[in-house]
Amino acid sequence: AQSVAQPEDQVNVAEGNPLTVKCTYSVSGNPYLFWYVQYPNRGLQFLLKYITGDNLVKGSYGFEAEFNKSQTSFHLKKPSALVSDSALYFCAVRDVVTSYDKVIFGPGTSLSVIP
Amino acid sequence: GAGVSQSPSNKVTEKGKDVELRCDPISGHTALYWYRQSLGQGLEFLIYFQGNSAPDKSGLPSDRFSAERTGGSVSTLTIQRTQQEDSAVYLCASSLVSFRGLSGNTIYFGEGSWLTVV
Repeated sequence: AQSVAQPEDQVNVAEGNPLTVKCTYSVSGNPYLFWYVQYPNRGLQFLLKYITGDNLVKGSYGFEAEFNKSQTSFHLKKPSALVSDSALYFCAVRDVVTSYDKVIFGPGTSLSVIP
Repeated sequence: GAGVSQSPSNKVTEKGKDVELRCDPISGHTALYWYRQSLGQGLEFLIYFQGNSAPDKSGLPSDRFSAERTGGSVSTLTIQRTQQEDSAVYLCASSLVSFRGLSGNTIYFGEGSWLTVV
């Protein structure tokens, strides 16, 4: 069965510094990987996804993520953090089960960017 | 519509009452998902629809929970005899067709229905 792990409950970073939010996954087939962001009292917003092709994926708001097959990781990165990036971040994986699929989300990582 | 629409946005109900939560997916999206999120927690998968059929109901917590989808569009999640532990945000999401070999489509979320059982 597929699963997603986000090893850090909380990440703190100073404004202007680079940030990384970690994600590792386990799937039986080819992974389709996603990152979402959730601001307080809001639904989830799509940031980026990896389907195939280049391992470095660029997404919204200056975020990018690197797919590493050997390490089964898909870490989210941004070169320079903003206070407005403070939010809850979810990694998700989509695997194929019989004739349908479902998206499994990690537990989330709370990012705090300190002014 | 332009996005996934959920109603009501907020619902306070008394323990033991039934509630219905509605989701209107993005036009043309055949796949529809329901998730539950308790305060400050991750997402718990509830049910998935492909068209009007639900091939995966594995996440429904109990037989008090049911969901249906009609016309391949609007979905309703019903909770009977609500309990305080049902208090959570119920998130609906939709995507274009999603089946084996075509699983790269992004799923888009609504703003959620905040349910409080008192």
